[in-house]
Amino acid sequence: QSVLTQPPSASGTPGQRVTISCSGSNSNIGSKTVNWYQQLPGTAPKLLIYSNNRRPSGVPDRFSGSKSGTSASLAISGLQSEDEADYYCAAWDDSLNGPVFGGGTKLTVL
Amino acid sequence: QVHLVQSGAEVKKPGSSVKVSCKASGGSFNSYIMSWVRQAPRQGLEWMGGIIPIFDSPNYARKFQGRITITADESTSTAYMELSSLISEDTAVYYCAREYSSSSSRFDDWGQGTLLTVSS
Repeated sequence: QSVLTQPPSASGTPGQRVTISCSGSNSNIGSKTVNWYQQLPGTAPKLLIYSNNRRPSGVPDRFSGSKSGTSASLAISGLQSEDEADYYCAAWDDSLNGPVFGGGTKLTVL
Repeated sequence: QVHLVQSGAEVKKPGSSVKVSCKASGGSFNSYIMSWVRQAPRQGLEWMGGIIPIFDSPNYARKFQGRITITADESTSTAYMELSSLISEDTAVYYCAREYSSSSSRFDDWGQGTLLTVSS
């Protein structure tokens, strides 16, 4: 059971906009910034969004993040087939004194 | 960008130990925050612990305390993760990752992963 809660799956057709939610508590999302990772099949995770809504260099602006209270969201607009991957949210947890992850959301591009 | 290269796959018997290495290149290893994250088959990511080499004071997830040892060798820019008393549920891919700053959960760089199989 992951500390952060994500839907196990999401889907969309090419060109659509999809959102993935991430729910936590005051000890993590409520007081810390949220980061998102993309994991393509058979590869290591890659930082996709940091500090709630910042994109590392090289990440397309189709990807965006937001946070409100103890929840966060990742939005992907103009969905492409190469976006098919697992997505994880993460935040530091003050109670556990370490980073915690969501269980991951498998995005399928139909 | 920091490049992290991990040691190869391991097969271990229950009750034994494993030590995985992660060699860093680029940047200043001493100031890195090196963490270990594992992923069991078809499961999510799980943080195990981390270390800042210059302080040599590891921080472990409660779940692994007593069973995990994370160390760093500044002379070779290599971090190590040793896990003891292995059980079948420890079968997973183990990643080293560089955390951007303390208490951030922002992992900018990842190793390629090391598959550990625990089987009798």
